[in-house]
Amino acid sequence: AQSVTQLGSHVSVSEGALVLLRCNYSSSVPPYLFWYVQYPNQGLQLLLKYTSAATLVKGINGFEAEFKKSETSFHLTKPSAHMSDAAEYFCAVRDSGAGSYQLTFGKGTKLSVIP
Amino acid sequence: EPEVTQTPSHQVTQMGQEVILRCVPISNHLYFYWYRQILGQKVEFLVSFYNNEISEKSEIFDDQFSVERPDGSNFTLKIRSTKLEDSAMYFCASTLTGDTQYFGPGTRLTVL
Repeated sequence: AQSVTQLGSHVSVSEGALVLLRCNYSSSVPPYLFWYVQYPNQGLQLLLKYTSAATLVKGINGFEAEFKKSETSFHLTKPSAHMSDAAEYFCAVRDSGAGSYQLTFGKGTKLSVIP
Repeated sequence: EPEVTQTPSHQVTQMGQEVILRCVPISNHLYFYWYRQILGQKVEFLVSFYNNEISEKSEIFDDQFSVERPDGSNFTLKIRSTKLEDSAMYFCASTLTGDTQYFGPGTRLTVL
């Protein structure tokens, strides 16, 4: 069984400050990992994904994440927060093997950006 | 850019009524999913559908739920007899290869 833990249900940063959203996963097989963002009253938009290629993954809107197998982590970072980054962020995991494509999500982290 | 669409955006129903939530996946995608998010909780997998049959389902997806792809474009989730605890946001997703899932905007279901 897989699971995802997102530390911090709510994170506040100042505009221009570093954004760090934490995600740890548990998986019995090599995982694929994803970060999705949800803006108010909208669906889930893919930010970036790790699918066993480069461990440092760059996504949209200046976000990146690093897969660290030894730490079972996939933390999301952005060097400089923008007001438009305020949203809820979800980390998700799935098996890398064929046939099991369901995503297991974390509880989400709501990011607030203070002007 | 192609996107997943869902209708309606908000559905209000009485307990015990049947509801059908509709999704139009991205046109060349082959795998289809339903997830739900109860207010304040995590997004949970319900069911996946490939080649006109269910490929995986969670323990949430009991006999009250069914899915169908009635034509080449729509993908529906039916709840036969809604309960209060079915109130949630329901998301449809689709993917071509099983790699990246693209989500629709969701249908908010309110059961009174």
